[in-house]
Amino acid sequence: GENVEQHPSTLSVQEGDSAVIKCTYSDSASNYFPWYKQELGKGPQLIIDIRSNVGEKKDQRIAVTLNKTAKHFSLHITETQPEDSAVYFCAASTGAAGNKLTFGGGTRVLVKP
Amino acid sequence: DAGVIQSPRHEVTEMGQEVTLRCKPISGHNSLFWYRQTMMRGLELLIYFNNNVPIDDSGMPEDRFSAKMPNASFSTLKIQPSEPRDSAVYFCASSLFGDGYTFGSGTRLTVV
Repeated sequence: GENVEQHPSTLSVQEGDSAVIKCTYSDSASNYFPWYKQELGKGPQLIIDIRSNVGEKKDQRIAVTLNKTAKHFSLHITETQPEDSAVYFCAASTGAAGNKLTFGGGTRVLVKP
Repeated sequence: DAGVIQSPRHEVTEMGQEVTLRCKPISGHNSLFWYRQTMMRGLELLIYFNNNVPIDDSGMPEDRFSAKMPNASFSTLKIQPSEPRDSAVYFCASSLFGDGYTFGSGTRLTVV
C-alpha cells in the first residue's frame, strides 16, 4: 500500500520568513495530493490540493509543487504569520471514488513573532 | 452546510464500558471515513464507507471495534469493551468521490 513520509516533524520560523514542508510517496499510481492544517482542538482542514497533471498550484501565500518522477511534493508558505502556527499534514491517494487518503506524520509549525 | 458533525465532543468512560461515537456527514457526500489520532501513531484510518457500504476495515484494531452506516446521513463507531489504550481523538470525515475530505471536530475519548 501507499506510504507517505513527511519532513521535518517540527519547524520554527520567524514571522515573515518562508516555511517549506516536504513529503514523499511510494505508490506511483497516486495522483491526488492534498494538504491539511490542524489547529489545536480542531479537525484537519483542507488548505490546498494538487493533482498529478499539474506541477504547481498557488493560493495567496501558500503553494504546492509536485515532482511525479521523484515522487515528492512540497508545501510552501510565504510571509508567515503567527496564525500559520499549526500542524500540517500531507496526504496522497489514487483519487478513485471512495478511495482512502494516506497521511504523512505531520509537521508542527511555529511562527515566532 | 453545517459541515461534518460528530458527537459527543468529549467522552470519559471506565474500562470495560461500551462507547458509541456518532457522525453525520455532509449532505450529498458519498464517502465516509473514521480516523483515530494519537501522538504516537498520528492519523490512522480505521474504516471507510462508500455509498453506505464498508469498503476497507483493515485499520480496525480489534474485534472490539465495529462501525455501521445505516443510511447516507449517519454513522457510528462502537468500542465494546473499551480499554485505556483506546484513548485518542476519533475523527469522522466525508467526501464526494474520495478527494477533498471534510473532517469533523472529533471526539476526544478517555478510557480510565
